[in-house]
Amino acid sequence: GQNIDQPTEMTATEGAIVQINCTYQTSGFNGLFWYQQHAGEAPTFLSYNVLDGLEEKGRFSSFLSRSKGYSYLLLKELQMKDSASYLCVSMDSNYQLIWGAGTKLIIKP
Amino acid sequence: NAGVTQTPKFRVLKTGQSMTLLCAQDMNHEYMYWYRQDPGMGLRLIHYSVGEGTTAKGEVPDGYNVSRLKKQNFLLGLESAAPSQTSVYFCASSQGQRETGELFFGEGSRLTVL
Repeated sequence: GQNIDQPTEMTATEGAIVQINCTYQTSGFNGLFWYQQHAGEAPTFLSYNVLDGLEEKGRFSSFLSRSKGYSYLLLKELQMKDSASYLCVSMDSNYQLIWGAGTKLIIKP
Repeated sequence: NAGVTQTPKFRVLKTGQSMTLLCAQDMNHEYMYWYRQDPGMGLRLIHYSVGEGTTAKGEVPDGYNVSRLKKQNFLLGLESAAPSQTSVYFCASSQGQRETGELFFGEGSRLTVL
């Protein structure tokens, strides 16, 4: 079956760095996405990886290893506004999206 | 541009009642989707559309119907609401198949069925 695994909740300190891991199993692979979702709001697109390696975008970076079925989202210089859920999403060979349940990130002062 | 707009934002129904959720997008996107989001679970696709006049079933289509009579609008109907349909519903759109991972979401509609 198709599956996405990511931690349910993580806690980090303002100004620090946090890495949110995701493992995926899908029928074929056409890319890995990360979305951010603040409480009570809609998900918003953060990043897309289809090749192995690290993609950097400001304070956020996303990494992909296709051979390991593994990705992570790295958040640097954490700010209170980064408190949100982070959704790992894999696209299978039919371009269907498989959504993880999300990792709730709590930032403490 | 408003992006993706959903109405209503909140609704309370009694079991057996019917209702329609409206979704409108002004980005000229071909693809539109209806998802539901429940605690502890990933977003689940209910129905989707790849163009005006076309619809297809997603992962959890039972109890729902959809229509896409105009390119900019995608309607989700509940004919006979059940408590299991209590959820937050999100409409989304995207430009095309290879871009389907980058979705633009509406603000969500919170539905409670008593």
